[in-house]
Amino acid sequence: DQQVKQNSPSLSVQEGRISILNCDYTNSMFDYFLWYKKYPAEGPTFLISISSIKDKNEDGRFTVFLNKSAKHLSLHIVPSQPGDSAVYFCAASANNNDMRFGAGTRLTVKP
Amino acid sequence: DAGVIQSPRHEVTEMGQEVTLRCKPISGHDYLFWYRQTMMRGLELLIYFNNNVPIDDSGMPEDRFSAKMPNASFSTLKIQPSEPRDSAVYFCASSWGTGGLGANVLTFGAGSRLTVL
Repeated sequence: DQQVKQNSPSLSVQEGRISILNCDYTNSMFDYFLWYKKYPAEGPTFLISISSIKDKNEDGRFTVFLNKSAKHLSLHIVPSQPGDSAVYFCAASANNNDMRFGAGTRLTVKP
Repeated sequence: DAGVIQSPRHEVTEMGQEVTLRCKPISGHDYLFWYRQTMMRGLELLIYFNNNVPIDDSGMPEDRFSAKMPNASFSTLKIQPSEPRDSAVYFCASSWGTGGLGANVLTFGAGSRLTVL
């Protein structure tokens, strides 16, 4: 049962442009959402998060948007850099620390 | 702190053999998670512990899989007998507390890549 879905397995953008990664969820009890970044041969690392009481959280080049009515969140990276090339996982939890992840989106930023 | 430590990093075994993966969480973290990463399903939650007690093991695929956490600094994930379809990267992660923005952030180990021939 995929409660968190990332429908785009890959995304390619030009350096300097915006990258938009999307995520949908089905469980309305989720109240905390995170994005993780994963490089090859490493574990995922935390990138940015947002709680359900907000609709936007910004950290430098990274912004996460949450649309609760649509059960949708997105990660914007502006401007994109070649070092941002990685697999990005969307995750969500329902206050019991049961963290569910999507399948991931592989982002490639071309110089 | 050295972070979450997993061993072995790579394991190649033959079908039917027992496999044991190990994890040392970050000191002070009271939640420990085991995930499996596959191409088809991404990161699947297998089981998680709170204060060494298993809370939810509904993600464990079959009885061939078992996990233990005998103390706050050590956990194992065992597969017996192993099958080729168990081939994947297995991640251990830990976190502290519940509630609040910082509490839900998982710190992952580097993973154990399992290949069952």
